[in-house]
Amino acid sequence: AQSVTQPDIHITVSEGASLELRCNYSYGATPYLFWYVQSPGQGLQLLLKYFSGDTLVQGIKGFEAEFKRSQSSFNLRKPSVHWSDAAEYFCAVGGSGGYQKVTFGIGTKLQVIP
Amino acid sequence: GAGVSQSPSNKVTEKGKDVELRCDPISGHTALYWYRQRLGQGLEFLIYFQGNSAPDKSGLPSDRFSAERTGESVSTLTIQRTQQEDSAVYLCASSLGPRENNEQFFGPGTRLTVL
Repeated sequence: AQSVTQPDIHITVSEGASLELRCNYSYGATPYLFWYVQSPGQGLQLLLKYFSGDTLVQGIKGFEAEFKRSQSSFNLRKPSVHWSDAAEYFCAVGGSGGYQKVTFGIGTKLQVIP
Repeated sequence: GAGVSQSPSNKVTEKGKDVELRCDPISGHTALYWYRQRLGQGLEFLIYFQGNSAPDKSGLPSDRFSAERTGESVSTLTIQRTQQEDSAVYLCASSLGPRENNEQFFGPGTRLTVL
């Protein structure tokens, strides 16, 4: 069965600092991978996704993620964090079963300090 | 509408009561999903609709949970005889279709509290 591990439940970074959120997945074939962001009181918004091709994926809001098959990882990065990036971030893995059944990680809550 | 909407936004109920949660997907989206998000947990898949049929109900935790969808529009998730462990945020999402690369658009959720 597919699974996702986000080892960091809570991360605090200073505004302007770089950010990396970790995600490891388990899936038997080539996964479909996603990062979503959930701001307080908001629904989840897709930041970026990987299906195939270039392993470095660019997303919205200046985020990027790199698929590393050898490490079963799909870490999310941003070179310079803004206060508005404070939110909860969810990594997710989808299968290829003909429809998009997606398994989510438990999330990483990001706090940004001035 | 412009996005996925859910109602009510908050629901407080007493243990043993039935509740209905509603989801209005984006117009034209044929696929609809329900998830449960417990405090401190990830999203837990409940059920998937393609049109008004539910080819995947594997995530429904018990027979107290059921869901329906009218055509390719509104869906309701019903929880009968609610228990305290049902307290969670229930999220609905829709996508254009069932293909893997269709982005899921999420609603703001319904926060259910069972006293």
